[in-house]
Amino acid sequence: GENVEQHPSTLSVQEGDSAVIKCTYSDSASNYFPWYKQELGKGPQLIIDIRSNVGEKKDQRIAVTLNKTAKHFSLHITETQPEDSAVYFCAAVTGGFKTIFGAGTRLFVKA
Amino acid sequence: EAGVVQSPRYKIIEKKQPVAFWCNPISGHNTLYWYLQNLGQGPELLIRYENEEAVDDSQLPKDRFSAERLKGVDSTLKIQPAELGDSAVYLCASSYLAGGGYNEQFFGPGTRLTVL
Repeated sequence: GENVEQHPSTLSVQEGDSAVIKCTYSDSASNYFPWYKQELGKGPQLIIDIRSNVGEKKDQRIAVTLNKTAKHFSLHITETQPEDSAVYFCAAVTGGFKTIFGAGTRLFVKA
Repeated sequence: EAGVVQSPRYKIIEKKQPVAFWCNPISGHNTLYWYLQNLGQGPELLIRYENEEAVDDSQLPKDRFSAERLKGVDSTLKIQPAELGDSAVYLCASSYLAGGGYNEQFFGPGTRLTVL
């Protein structure tokens, strides 16, 4: 069945450094790739997304890249801040609007 | 604009008891989702509604779980009877799906269920 693998499961960086989270997906019909940030006690919140016809998208300190051939997509956060500390989830959405989430990456940004 | 509203936020019950969760989606959103999130995992879809119709309930354990979305707005998810393994966070999300559109989902805060 459809599957999304996410790495690493935990990531610790120093404030100001960059953080990279990587995901791979199995269903070649996936055409939309959102990234969510989840803080303690809250639901996931969309932070950036990319469609299958785009290779890269940037929004201030956050960027996402997509390699459809390899079925890889990645989240890049530059100049990390303590408030970036949270759990981040990648997801892949098929043409049937079914969303498969990765297992999450817990990001710690040390001040 | 109000976001997705869920209640209760927390629920503690004994095993074999029934429990129900309620969700009010963002106004105008035609699609509603119920997800299960176990500790340290990503959300897993239980059921997706387009208006009143359940279009994907393949992952819903129908022997004990049921859901409804009367009038295509609010939704209720029920578990009867609850088992210890049902302890998790139950998330509701909504989106507006139009022909050719993609699927930006807005999540509620979730209901944390503890089964003793």
